[in-house]
Amino acid sequence: SQQGEEDPQALSIQEGENATMNCSYKTSINNLQWYRQNSGRGLVHLILIRSNEREKHSGRLRVTLDTSKKSSSLLITASRAADTASYFCATAPRDGGYQKVTFGTGTKLQVIP
Amino acid sequence: KAGVTQTPRYLIKTRGQQVTLSCSPISGHRSVSWYQQTPGQGLQFLFEYFSETQRNKGNFPGRFSGRQFSNSRSEMNVSTLELGDSALYLCASSWLLGTGKHSGELFFGEGSRLTVL
Repeated sequence: SQQGEEDPQALSIQEGENATMNCSYKTSINNLQWYRQNSGRGLVHLILIRSNEREKHSGRLRVTLDTSKKSSSLLITASRAADTASYFCATAPRDGGYQKVTFGTGTKLQVIP
Repeated sequence: KAGVTQTPRYLIKTRGQQVTLSCSPISGHRSVSWYQQTPGQGLQFLFEYFSETQRNKGNFPGRFSGRQFSNSRSEMNVSTLELGDSALYLCASSWLLGTGKHSGELFFGEGSRLTVL
């Protein structure tokens, strides 16, 4: 079963625009991560935010975490065609089994040149 | 440093057969996790190994099994294949903090794409 759900399922934007993806999860977490997957390839880790953090930046990426609402968002600024990929949030549970990282359903992002 | 290596990359099997997939983690990574990815179910956690021991298991039938060797390399096996086992099988490795806790970040291989006919 999926721990998280992402919204929207698909997103199409023009190059240069910002892309925002949201993730909601169900249980208490130790940390939340975002990954990117190009079609049919392995996943690439983008950023990790711990449960005691509210916001984190990495290059053109900005992640927020609201543990009271059990939600997170990923913002990609000034998008490029190379950002076209599926994006997944993933959570590591707080209470034991923290190595059992579970993934959301993913958002398919298309950036049109 | 070499990345996570999965073999084979592609394979075709028929129903009832069995398959073994291999994963070599990044050097120094002792935790190896396996995931199944399908269009319908998304990414599903199969199991995680550390020091040759399975620490966590997902909700998959007993036909799915795995093991880890002393050099941290891991294999997973699926017996009595069914059509629904067609999927991309992904292996991920991670390093652990001194406490044995998960570092959080997973490093994925390119996957093994299994087609069951």
